[in-house]
Amino acid sequence: DIQMTQSPSSVSASVGDRVTITCRASQGIGSWLAWYQQKPGKAPKLLIYAASSLQSGVPSRFSGSGSGTDFTLTISSLQPEDFASYYCQQANSFPALTFGGGTKVEIK
Amino acid sequence: EVQLVESGGGLVQPGGSLRLSCPASGFTFSSYWMSWVRQAPGKGLEWVANIKQDGSEKYYVDSVKGRFTISRDNAKNSLYLQMNSLTAEDTAVYYCARGPARANTFDYWGQGTLVTVSS
Repeated sequence: DIQMTQSPSSVSASVGDRVTITCRASQGIGSWLAWYQQKPGKAPKLLIYAASSLQSGVPSRFSGSGSGTDFTLTISSLQPEDFASYYCQQANSFPALTFGGGTKVEIK
Repeated sequence: EVQLVESGGGLVQPGGSLRLSCPASGFTFSSYWMSWVRQAPGKGLEWVANIKQDGSEKYYVDSVKGRFTISRDNAKNSLYLQMNSLTAEDTAVYYCARGPARANTFDYWGQGTLVTVSS
């Protein structure tokens, strides 16, 4: 199985900050990567698919990049509603689609 | 509007069984793969099982093979998860999700149902 490793596990930031989260795959996955946002007590929400494509309705301050084994999710200017946990998901090894361990974005 | 509404969770003793249900609306259910994804308390997301549009293909994470069965009823627009021989490690919120969809993602999720395995 492909293992996904996210870093950092948590980050403290202020409104307006630029935040970057990384995700590393244990083997190359091309651009088969997605990012999700999850707020406490809520279901995950798809933000980005195919490494860099923004899901409909997701604000443009979210962006994704990378290919192969190394990927990043960037929030260009953190907003109050962005404090949440973020998960990457490899989409290469269907049907076993595995997630990273998550990154919690907290208020500084 | 896409809606997925899980039900059937609860407290069950080790070794017991539960059946989760997920009626879907707002999209053509029979046109999509469907999945169950779980999240243990305070932990990350774990894909559990998925099923092809016509039910002809089913896949499971190794830890639930032989114990869990995913199924669907396209006439009722519903997804199910039969869980047997439950252990404490199965304690989690179970989400019903549409997908793998575009680019092998889960594009819509239900609100989740909590399964607690404890004596």
